[in-house]
Amino acid sequence: GQQLNQSPQSMFIQEGEDVSMNCTSSSIFNTWLWYKQEPGEGPVLLIALYKAGELTSNGRLTAQFGITRKDSFLNISASIPSDVGIYFCAGQASGSRLTFGEGTQLTVNP
Amino acid sequence: NAGVMQNPRHLVRRRGQEARLRCSPMKGHSHVYWYRQLPEEGLKFMVYLQKENIIDESGMPKERFSAEFPKEGPSILRIQQVVRGDSAAYFCASSPLTSGGASTQYFGPGTRLTVL
Repeated sequence: GQQLNQSPQSMFIQEGEDVSMNCTSSSIFNTWLWYKQEPGEGPVLLIALYKAGELTSNGRLTAQFGITRKDSFLNISASIPSDVGIYFCAGQASGSRLTFGEGTQLTVNP
Repeated sequence: NAGVMQNPRHLVRRRGQEARLRCSPMKGHSHVYWYRQLPEEGLKFMVYLQKENIIDESGMPKERFSAEFPKEGPSILRIQQVVRGDSAAYFCASSPLTSGGASTQYFGPGTRLTVL
C-alpha cells in the first residue's frame, strides 16, 4: 500500500523561529493536505494543494506540492506558542481515502 | 455552520460488548469517511461511504466491524465483541459531492474508545 514518510518526527524551537517539515511518498498523489491536531481533538485542515508545483499560503503557513507529485513541504514562519501541536501531511490518490504521515510534534518555547 | 459532529466523545466498553460510534457530516456533505488513530500514530483509513452505499471498505477489519450511512440520520461505525486492541480514537470526516475531482475532508472531534 501507499506509505508516507514524514520528517522530522519532532521539533523543539524557540518562539519566533521558522519551521519546516516535509513528506515523501513512494507513489504519486493528486492532492496533498496538511492538518494540525491538538490533544483530544480531531485534525484541522490547514492547507490543501491540488496541482503539482502549487505553492499556497495561509497566514504564516506556506505549503508546496512537489513537481514529482511524490512530496510536499510545510513551512511555518515566526512561530508562536499556539503553533504547538502535531502536524500531519495527507495524500489523496483519488477522491476517496487519505493516506496520512506519522506526524511532526512541534513544541515552541516562549 | 456546524462542523462534523461525533458522539459520544468518550466511550468505555468491557471486552465482548458492542460499541456504536455516530457521525453527522457537515451540512451539504454527502461523503463520510472513518479513520482510526492509535496513540503516537497517524490516522489510518477504514471505510468510505455515501448515503446508503459503502464505496470503499478496504481498510476495515474483516470481522466484528461494520459501517453504515443511512438515508436519514448519522453514519454509524459498529464494533461487535470489542477487544482491548480496539482501544483507539476513531475519527469521522466528511466532504462535499465532487465530480470525480479532489474532495477535501473535514474531520470531527473523534470518539475515544477504551476497552477494559
